[in-house]
Amino acid sequence: AQTVTQSQPEMSVQEAETVTLSCTYDTSESDYYLFWYKQPPSRQMILVIRQEAYKQQNATENRFSVNFQKAAKSFSLKISDSQLGDAAMYFCAYDYNNDMRFGAGTRLTVKP
Amino acid sequence: NAGVTQTPKFQVLKTGQSMTLQCAQDMNHEYMSWYRQDPGMGLRLIHYSVGAGITDQGEVPNGYNVSRSTTEDFPLRLLSAAPSQTSVYFCASRILSGSSYNEQFFGPGTRLTVL
Repeated sequence: AQTVTQSQPEMSVQEAETVTLSCTYDTSESDYYLFWYKQPPSRQMILVIRQEAYKQQNATENRFSVNFQKAAKSFSLKISDSQLGDAAMYFCAYDYNNDMRFGAGTRLTVKP
Repeated sequence: NAGVTQTPKFQVLKTGQSMTLQCAQDMNHEYMSWYRQDPGMGLRLIHYSVGAGITDQGEVPNGYNVSRSTTEDFPLRLLSAAPSQTSVYFCASRILSGSSYNEQFFGPGTRLTVL
């Protein structure tokens, strides 16, 4: 079964600095999708960024970018110019054939 | 558009009781799904549907039933609630058609406590 591992239960970053959240996954498939979701205290799940496994180019959305290493099965999220509003739980997720699996999450704290 | 709506927001049950968590979407999305989120864990897929009349099991389907009679609604039934089903439940939906993976929209969640 596919598994998603986030090895950092908590991370902290100074406002305006850069932070990287780690994610690894296990799969035997070659064509799948990877995601980072943000969950603030409101519990709402918010899509941050998406990566198709068949695309070699790393996805970027404004201050958020990923480092996708398919052979290593690694999918890290970089947040640049961190803002107070970035503080939340971040979940890495993998989807193959409509079966989405999530990691346990990383709690990000942003210090002013 | 109201997006994905879930009712109720909170529910307390006694062991052995049954109940239905409601989920509706007004975006004409083919795909709908149910997840549970336990403390310290990510979301886990319970059941999903790719269209009316079609449902399939996810990672943790035991103890839950679903049906999809319309495109808009995807209720989740707990037949005999157990304390292990205490969790926050999320419903989600997305478009299936097209060549790329379309964004999945999540509801606000239902917090269920089973005593």
